[in-house]
Amino acid sequence: AQKVTQAQTEISVVEKEDVTLDCVYETRDTTYYLFWYKQPPSGELVFLIRRNSFDEQNEISGRYSWNFQKSTSSFNFTITASQVVDSAVYFCALSAFDSNYQLIWGAGTKLIIKP
Amino acid sequence: DTGVSQNPRHKITKRGQNVTFRCDPISEHNRLYWYRQTLGQGPEFLTYFQNEAQLEKSRLLSDRFSAERPKGSFSTLEIQRTEQGDSAMYLCASSYANEQFFGPGTRLTVL
Repeated sequence: AQKVTQAQTEISVVEKEDVTLDCVYETRDTTYYLFWYKQPPSGELVFLIRRNSFDEQNEISGRYSWNFQKSTSSFNFTITASQVVDSAVYFCALSAFDSNYQLIWGAGTKLIIKP
Repeated sequence: DTGVSQNPRHKITKRGQNVTFRCDPISEHNRLYWYRQTLGQGPEFLTYFQNEAQLEKSRLLSDRFSAERPKGSFSTLEIQRTEQGDSAMYLCASSYANEQFFGPGTRLTVL
């Protein structure tokens, strides 16, 4: 069975602090993809990143960085120098060949950035 | 705008009525997915099309739900005899490879 766990239901930090959102996944497939999506209050899902199972390199994009570790089945997301506009619900998701690449979602982490 | 579009954006209906939602994917995308999201939860997979073929349906998709994708272009999701438990955001996504692009969703409220 495939599963994504985001243990942090809600995180609240003060602007300019760094914050890490955790994601742990389970799958028996050897070929799979991991994603992070942002859902601001407007409700639309915004794609942030995709990572395939064969690429464990960490990635940095501006203030965002992702740490993929197959050994611990984790794909954590860090926001550096957080801003109020980062406030949103962030979802981690998994898709795999054996399930027609349908997205299996975590429950989401609500991130609140206080000014 | 060449993104995924969904109509209507909001739908309020009375219990027992039928509703239909439409999704227009990105034109070159051959895969189309429907998801449902309730408040405070992540999206849940409903069904998936590759071109015009509906290849998978979730157990969440009861007999009251039907989806079509004629000619592999736009897709419709119909809910018959709506129930209050059907109230949710219905999301459509399209993809060509493995990256899914989402539409803005249709928020359904069943009174």
